[in-house]
Amino acid sequence: NAGVTQTPKFQVLKTGQSMTLQCAQDMNHEYMSWYRQDPGMGLRLIHYSVGAGITDQGEVPNGYNVSRSTTEDFPLRLLSAAPSQTSVYFCASRPTYNQASYNEQFFGPGTRLTVL
Amino acid sequence: RKEVEQDPGPFNVPEGATVAFNCTYSNSASQSFFWYRQDCRKEPKLLMSVYSSGNEDGRFTAQLNRASQYISLLIRDSKLSDSATYLCVVKGGYGGSQGNLIFGKGTKLSVKP
Repeated sequence: NAGVTQTPKFQVLKTGQSMTLQCAQDMNHEYMSWYRQDPGMGLRLIHYSVGAGITDQGEVPNGYNVSRSTTEDFPLRLLSAAPSQTSVYFCASRPTYNQASYNEQFFGPGTRLTVL
Repeated sequence: RKEVEQDPGPFNVPEGATVAFNCTYSNSASQSFFWYRQDCRKEPKLLMSVYSSGNEDGRFTAQLNRASQYISLLIRDSKLSDSATYLCVVKGGYGGSQGNLIFGKGTKLSVKP
């Protein structure tokens, strides 16, 4: 199993450009999520999905869109990039959304995004 | 008040030392608790789950106090390879997102020779 994969690893955008960060997992996990990590802020949840066709907003969703057409893929779209979106983006997955479970959550290697 | 709070450190300790990290969480309805480890410029990885009765994995011991809403991680006989940031993680936030993980900002540990 490849686990959780993310592309690209690095990206530089200009203000106003749009792009899609790709995320895929081959573990048949129901739950997938996107986080951003900024210095001093920790990991913050952007969007999440509890299954194909179902998405919801996390703590910091503004400026981002997601879709989940398949179990495997969960792309994150930046609609009009802003310097405030400069960050490291992590995609993650785990078997279920269940609140009480101790399922391990697996993270992809991250995408380092700089918006100029 | 942040949902999960940790001392950011850094903790600078010599090899062989015992070090303890603490964490508090604000939602008393939270049901699952974890410690994740994150190496520099890498993704977080699960270190261990934290169970109500406390649990141990080699040199690592995790404790949970539900009454005080407090989680701890003890590392004995520190190794150079333990240098990393340790993230306190709670599942079960406010509102409808009960299954999402809430991360503390992390505590940085540096083990010196």
